[in-house]
Amino acid sequence: QVQLVESGGGVVQPGRSLRLSCAASGFTFSSYGMHWVRQAPGKGLEWVALLWYDGNNTYYADSVKGRFTISRDNSKNTLYLQMKSLRAEDTAVYYCARNSKYRSLHYFDYWGQGTLVTVSS
Amino acid sequence: EIVMTQSPATLSVSPGERATLSCRASQSVSTNLAWYQQKPGQAPRLLIYSASTRATGISARFSGSGSRTEFTLTISSLQSEDFAVYYCQQYNNWPYTFGQGTKVESK
Repeated sequence: QVQLVESGGGVVQPGRSLRLSCAASGFTFSSYGMHWVRQAPGKGLEWVALLWYDGNNTYYADSVKGRFTISRDNSKNTLYLQMKSLRAEDTAVYYCARNSKYRSLHYFDYWGQGTLVTVSS
Repeated sequence: EIVMTQSPATLSVSPGERATLSCRASQSVSTNLAWYQQKPGQAPRLLIYSASTRATGISARFSGSGSRTEFTLTISSLQSEDFAVYYCQQYNNWPYTFGQGTKVESK
């Protein structure tokens, strides 16, 4: 069965960096686009970034563009999110999510359990 | 950016009753709309995509309809496990955006 397991969250000071990982199993990772979606405490969902299945195209929300970088290692079935210049408003649970089997339809058919990032001094 | 607006914010329904949730897009998204269910402390779960197609393993109690700017999620006969927050999401245009959610609670 499809499994996505995030890790790397924690408490970090404003302006510092953090890297999240998402280990995938149960499907052919290299065939699927992958996303990061976040949810601030008690708030709704916000799409953060998309990386195509082959790693050739990336898209970011304006709120993180220039500060976050999504990447993948298809040999390790792992998705990453490198976060720099973190701000208090980046505090959220970060989910990795698999893109649908239809490569041009960017909805999320499987989600990880999430990892909490808290940006605080 | 396409703004997704869900209504109502909270819906109080008795078990066995029908629940109707609405989602409106600020511009046409065709049928590129998905619905998700989220229970406390859990990740969202895909229910519906392409406005009306149930995802794998989703009960026939859940149905979606609509196109362009107006969409509806209907839960035909609410079960105890259906009390949750529901989000719509458009994927017609980047950036992909969600509604603010509708909480379905027990009356």
